[in-house]
Amino acid sequence: DVKVTQSSRYLVKRTGEKVFLECVQDMDHENMFWYRQDPGLGLRLIYFSYDVKMKEKGDIPEGYSVSREKKERFSLILESASTNQTSMYLCASSLPHAAGELFFGEGSRLTVL
Amino acid sequence: QKEVEQNSGPLSVPEGAIASLNCTYSDRGSQSFFWYRQYSGKSPELIMSIYSNGDKEDGRFTAQLNKASQYVSLLIRDSQPSDSATYLCAVNLYSGGYQKVTFGIGTKLQVIP
Repeated sequence: DVKVTQSSRYLVKRTGEKVFLECVQDMDHENMFWYRQDPGLGLRLIYFSYDVKMKEKGDIPEGYSVSREKKERFSLILESASTNQTSMYLCASSLPHAAGELFFGEGSRLTVL
Repeated sequence: QKEVEQNSGPLSVPEGAIASLNCTYSDRGSQSFFWYRQYSGKSPELIMSIYSNGDKEDGRFTAQLNKASQYVSLLIRDSQPSDSATYLCAVNLYSGGYQKVTFGIGTKLQVIP
């Protein structure tokens, strides 16, 4: 079974702090994604990557950056956390020929105070 | 206009009935379509994918796609209380050299025993 592991299930940070959210998948998937999920807004794509060292902006990249130094790891970085970044963050991975068939991690609930 | 539209619900159906979940999408270039199920407090999991017009059946689930009407639906036959969840419609679009998966806000389904 594909396993997508997000390092932190719950985080509480203060405004202005730098936040790292880590995601690791163990099925050698090329594609990796970061979404955030908010009530009434659904899942929104922040960044995605289809290869090591490659990254592309999704629909809401402002305030975020990403890093993909290894195929299995995709990190989301909040350079200076703000209260409007309080959300559930979901990492996902997929194969290139089935890009829409996503395997999600358990999510990281971030609260910014 | 949102790229993927769903009624947020809740949709309430009695146990044993057919639940019908609907989704429309705006981009005619969309190529593949997915239904994800998300239980409360959990991450989404893929339950159906459909790539061509018509019906696709998998157990109690049937996905229906009509590209001319830009419409996707999910039918759940013999609904069970364990089907109570939020169902997310997702659409994969090839744009700018990349495939991007966009989600609707989800429809909450309640199956009443």
